[in-house]
Amino acid sequence: SQELEQSPQSLIVQEGKNLTINCTSSKTLYGLYWYKQKYGEGLIFLMMLQKGGEEKSHEKITAKLDEKKQQSSLHITASQPSHAGIYLCGAARMEYGNKLVFGAGTILRVKS
Amino acid sequence: NAGVTQTPKFQVLKTGQSMTLQCAQDMNHEYMSWYRQDPGMGLRLIHYSVGAGITDQGEVPNGYNVSRSTTEDFPLRLLSAAPSQTSVYFCASSAPGQGVTGELFFGEGSRLTVL
Repeated sequence: SQELEQSPQSLIVQEGKNLTINCTSSKTLYGLYWYKQKYGEGLIFLMMLQKGGEEKSHEKITAKLDEKKQQSSLHITASQPSHAGIYLCGAARMEYGNKLVFGAGTILRVKS
Repeated sequence: NAGVTQTPKFQVLKTGQSMTLQCAQDMNHEYMSWYRQDPGMGLRLIHYSVGAGITDQGEVPNGYNVSRSTTEDFPLRLLSAAPSQTSVYFCASSAPGQGVTGELFFGEGSRLTVL
């Protein structure tokens, strides 16, 4: 099973609607990273959360980290077609050396 | 600034053939890594390097070989290709001192099909 479980696996939203993607870790989180991938392209760094309760925003995307629940949520407000893609969460596993593990990803489609 | 450059973008191999995926970065990054991406499994770390002359294994190293003779280049070698190695491969790097705790810069990927 994945160390990082993302939900939902995919979603389709109408343009202008809000949405939330969750990432839950089976191990203690020391930091959580969010990346976005467009089809046929590499991953683009969105933001990094390091402390419990931390919340960061990038344009209309907000991410929060709940250390107690070992979970992070990514919220998109007023979705646009440009938000479409695959969102992946990642966590550093320092006990395994310099390793960043990723969730399986959430596919987002935005209907205009 | 070119960032992280991967070649080739597409490759088809026959079972048993060998090949090298190239990765180069021009940002003077110490940390470089190779991931493979498969449907439903996210990205899995194959090998990584924290500097020239230093490499280590990730989650799925079997069937792959790496070397790091320069800071800029981190090639991934498939020794004897198998259909299970059909995947999209990504190279990523990060700034000095960051390792995996900082932003990773990804290449655009190399799509490999093994028949």
